[in-house]
Amino acid sequence: KAGVTQTPRYLIKTRGQQVTLSCSPISGHRSVSWYQQTPGQGLQFLFEYFSETQRNKGNFPGRFSGRQFSNSRSEMNVSTLELGDSALYLCASSSQGQTYEQYFGPGTRLTVT
Amino acid sequence: GIQVEQSPPDLILQEGANSTLRCNFSDSVNNLQWFHQNPWGQLINLFYIPSGTKQNGRLSATTVATERYSLLYISSSQTTDSGVYFCAVANQAGTALIFGKGTTLSVSS
Repeated sequence: KAGVTQTPRYLIKTRGQQVTLSCSPISGHRSVSWYQQTPGQGLQFLFEYFSETQRNKGNFPGRFSGRQFSNSRSEMNVSTLELGDSALYLCASSSQGQTYEQYFGPGTRLTVT
Repeated sequence: GIQVEQSPPDLILQEGANSTLRCNFSDSVNNLQWFHQNPWGQLINLFYIPSGTKQNGRLSATTVATERYSLLYISSSQTTDSGVYFCAVANQAGTALIFGKGTTLSVSS
């Protein structure tokens, strides 16, 4: 079975721009979660989607949003980028949700200049 | 919310040594996972272990849910074991996976 894939792997953007990241879960998995990893804050939960619905949301501003498509692929969008948004963004998939084993993709490293 | 503490924060070993990494959590959990983050940033699944004991080669893990801790054992360390090890838990509501700050392991030959 193919693992979780994320595109793009690296991204450089300018302050004020917006960015869209993509995640394809493991086949058959319906839950997709997004995490942000920074040196200062560690790994933090952004949101989870299940069957095209946002089921849970972490403590991030409204500039961070996401969606899930009928094939379970998910995208997250960050608008009006700030320097502090520079981070590794990780996507995880599981069959049903947070209490089930999570499998992570390789991540997208975003640099905001 | 639930708190996850990992110890030690840093560990330096010679190749061949054994080590124990600890994860304490502050509330009942429905999911506990151990990950190894490789140099490129990907989190590699080691164990899904909300309770009990599991072994996989040189690695084993034990979670004592009633006492709210989990241990990851690495035997006969190799240089390829170097990296950051994370413990993550999901609370009873299962709303999110909460990560500890990690243990950075350095194994030298």
